[in-house]
Amino acid sequence: AQSVAQPEDQVNVAEGNPLTVKCTYSVSGNPYLFWYVQYPNRGLQFLLKYITGDNLVKGSYGFEAEFNKSQTSFHLKKPSALVSDSALYFCAVRSLMNTGFQKLVFGTGTRLLVSP
Amino acid sequence: DVKVTQSSRYLVKRTGEKVFLECVQDMDHENMFWYRQDPGLGLRLIYFSYDVKMKEKGDIPEGYSVSREKKERFSLILESASTNQTSMYLCASSRDLNQPQHFGDGTRLSIL
Repeated sequence: AQSVAQPEDQVNVAEGNPLTVKCTYSVSGNPYLFWYVQYPNRGLQFLLKYITGDNLVKGSYGFEAEFNKSQTSFHLKKPSALVSDSALYFCAVRSLMNTGFQKLVFGTGTRLLVSP
Repeated sequence: DVKVTQSSRYLVKRTGEKVFLECVQDMDHENMFWYRQDPGLGLRLIYFSYDVKMKEKGDIPEGYSVSREKKERFSLILESASTNQTSMYLCASSRDLNQPQHFGDGTRLSIL
């Protein structure tokens, strides 16, 4: 079954420094990968997706993600962190169910804390 | 912008009650989803619907049912609420699974 793993429960970074939130995936076939962000007391918001094409994907709010097939990773990055980036980040992969339908499988989430 | 609206932000119910969580989307999306979110477990799919009156079980359907009588509305029903159903419930919609899912702000449900 398709799955994603987010190995860090929390990432701490100082404002202005680059940030990386890690995600590794396990799929059969070509992966369809997504990143979402959740601010306090809100639902998830879409940041970016990889389906095919360039390994570097650019998304909302200055975020980007690098798809690495050999390392089965899809890490989220930003060159310069803002305090307002502090939130919960989820990686997700499209997965085929036994019924033939498709669903998203989410990681457990990584809390990003950006200090002033 | 797509708007997904969940009827309640906070809800407190008692064990054994029948509980209805409502979700409405305004973008004519075919697909709608119900997830529950628990710390350390991420989001888990309860049910989804790919068309009016059509539904499919997700990963954790036990104790839940759903209803989709109109395209824009997807309801989650807890038939007989139990304390282990205390959680954050998130509704989402999408045109198809290659497109992003759009989420509501969630309902934090407490079962006492």
